[in-house]
Amino acid sequence: DAGVIQSPRHEVTEMGQEVTLRCKPISGHDYLFWYRQTMMRGLELLIYFNNNVPIDDSGMPEDRFSAKMPNASFSTLKIQPSEPRDSAVYFCASHDRGFDTQYFGPGTRLTVL
Amino acid sequence: DQQVKQNSPSLSVQEGRISILNCVYTNSMFDYFLWYKKYPAEGPTFLISISSIKDKNEDGRFTVFLNKSAKHLSLHIVPSQPGDSAVYFCAASPLAGGTSYGKLTFGQGTILTVHP
Repeated sequence: DAGVIQSPRHEVTEMGQEVTLRCKPISGHDYLFWYRQTMMRGLELLIYFNNNVPIDDSGMPEDRFSAKMPNASFSTLKIQPSEPRDSAVYFCASHDRGFDTQYFGPGTRLTVL
Repeated sequence: DQQVKQNSPSLSVQEGRISILNCVYTNSMFDYFLWYKKYPAEGPTFLISISSIKDKNEDGRFTVFLNKSAKHLSLHIVPSQPGDSAVYFCAASPLAGGTSYGKLTFGQGTILTVHP
C-alpha cells in the first residue's frame, strides 16, 4: 500500500486566499483524521471522520476552516480566507477499526504570507 | 488546556547512553498511550504503545513505562543511536467507545539529538 497520500506537499499563498489541502487515506481504513502541527501547540486534532461522517470537529479553530469526506478514499481541508497564523504543517492520518495506531501522511507545509 | 504535556522541548544524549523522554497527562479517562517518532519532512510514525492494564512494554531498544497514579509516561531508548535523532510525541486516548474512539491527544513533542 502507498500509505496516506497528501497533496500538495508545500503551499505558499497570500492572506485572504482560499487554500484546499487533500488527503487519500489507506484503503480499507474507516477513520480519517486531520491534524495541525505548530511549534507552540504541537500536534492538534482538528477533525475526524468515521465512515465518511464527521464525528468530532471540536478542534477546528474557526469557521474559516471546513473539512469534507465525500467518499472513503478522499478528504479535503479548506481554509477560506487564509491568514498568516494558519501557517503550519497539516497532517492527515487514517486507521481501521480496532484499537490500532494511526498512520500519518507526509504532511502539507502551509505558508500564508 | 493541554491534557498531554511534554515539558522538555529538547534532549541531547551521547550515542550508546540511555535516552529518557517524559510525558504527563491530566485526563483520567485516558487508557491507552502511544509514542510516535517524527523525522523532518515526514509524518509521525508509530513507535510503541501501552494500555493502562500494564505498567511496562518493551520492543527491542524501546521501553515505555506507565505510572497511572502519577499520570506519567516515559520512553526509554537503550542504547541510543544517532538514527534515533528525531522529534518524539507522546499521545493518549480513551479506550474504545462513544465518539472518542480512536481520538488521540498529543503532547508538544521533544527533540532528541543523539551525538556520535
